[in-house]
Amino acid sequence: NAGVTQTPKFQVLKTGQSMTLQCAQDMNHEYMSWYRQDPGMGLRLIHYSVGAGITDQGEVPNGYNVSRSTTEDFPLRLLSAAPSQTSVYFCASSLTGDREQYFGPGTRLTVT
Amino acid sequence: DQQVKQNSPSLSVQEGRISILNCDYTNSMFDYFLWYKKYPAEGPTFLISISSIKDKNEDGRFTVFLNKSAKHLSLHIVPSQPGDSAVYFCAASEDGGSQGNLIFGKGTKLSVKP
Repeated sequence: NAGVTQTPKFQVLKTGQSMTLQCAQDMNHEYMSWYRQDPGMGLRLIHYSVGAGITDQGEVPNGYNVSRSTTEDFPLRLLSAAPSQTSVYFCASSLTGDREQYFGPGTRLTVT
Repeated sequence: DQQVKQNSPSLSVQEGRISILNCDYTNSMFDYFLWYKKYPAEGPTFLISISSIKDKNEDGRFTVFLNKSAKHLSLHIVPSQPGDSAVYFCAASEDGGSQGNLIFGKGTKLSVKP
């Protein structure tokens, strides 16, 4: 039982490049979410999903896309990276979004 | 507008003493509260939670107190240990509400000195 896994751990992008951050969970959780953590800003919700085929926007969705084709996977796509997207990204999963969420180890993204 | 506030960015405590981390919220519809602990280069890990029908929940050295009238909760760590040094996030949610997600505070960095 690996819990929540994220790849890659580190990534450097140039402005305008695109990439996908991968997230997978093996706990059969319906709810999955993406957060970004910036210094002094805490954890801010980007997008979330309450089940396969269902996604919705969080607090800071601009510049990010998500899809949920399976229960296990919830990738986060940056279509055209900007320096403002330099951050640490965490994926989380839970049975329901309003209770204990289990976090992955994070992806540290730098956009130059 | 911040719905969950942790007004102390940092706290330093001597080993063996009590650590008290505070959290205030503004949304009276929040009915479930959680504390997460985060070490550098790791994801946050769930520590303890409390439902709004309770005013105290204890788990070993960790106790969370909830004061609904003041919209305030606190996390007590007794006794504090150097391994408790981490960033602590308070989070809140509204059961069945439109905000079916966790709302996090900005975190408090706890340093426990040997």
